[in-house]
Amino acid sequence: SYALVQPPSVAVAPGTSARITCGGNNFETKSVHWYQQKPGQAPVLVIHYDSDRPSGIPERFSGSKSGNTATLTITRVEVGDEADYYCQVWESSDNPVVFGGGTKLTVL
Amino acid sequence: EVQLVESGGGLVQPGGSLRLSCVASGFTFSDHYMDWVRQAPGKGLEWVGRIRNKANSHNTEYAASVKGRFIISRDDSQRSLFLQMNSLKTEDTALYYCAREDNANFVWGLWGQGTLVTVSS
Repeated sequence: SYALVQPPSVAVAPGTSARITCGGNNFETKSVHWYQQKPGQAPVLVIHYDSDRPSGIPERFSGSKSGNTATLTITRVEVGDEADYYCQVWESSDNPVVFGGGTKLTVL
Repeated sequence: EVQLVESGGGLVQPGGSLRLSCVASGFTFSDHYMDWVRQAPGKGLEWVGRIRNKANSHNTEYAASVKGRFIISRDDSQRSLFLQMNSLKTEDTALYYCAREDNANFVWGLWGQGTLVTVSS
């Protein structure tokens, strides 16, 4: 079955940049979406269609994709960015939706 | 206010049934595909299933893990989404979110706060 691979954790200092990767196959045919989930809260869409930012999401959040890796980049990281981040794609199969395992971003 | 509010969670024994509800407000509910996504305690997100809008015959799709046990329905007149869960297993224990697809493409721009289902004897 199709799988998305994310690092379990990323830790950065405030004011620096955080890069969270998501690995998968055949990414050239899929759009990758990213969700932020803070403790005790519902997920929030932060990047859709690889690199588009929904309304209300700060410009500090950006997405990119190259080969079989998608990357969520957060610049000028703030303590408030501490959260779990999930990548997600639509896979045309019996299980159409696939989430990555999530990456916990810690701001040191 | 644009929001989704889930209800109906609780404690149920293995093999039992439970029906979750999600009420929408602040947008044209009937236009949108709607989904259920769950999250087991301390775990990641798992898609449960989806129901399309009336223009697409309210067709449903389910994850393999729940197919044949869970049924998604909706009442557009009541702006409500439902998840009927039957033959529940301990591994169905999770926080269940309803979520709105913005462009019928499995991307969710609006989520509820979730309702907790615990399956235990």
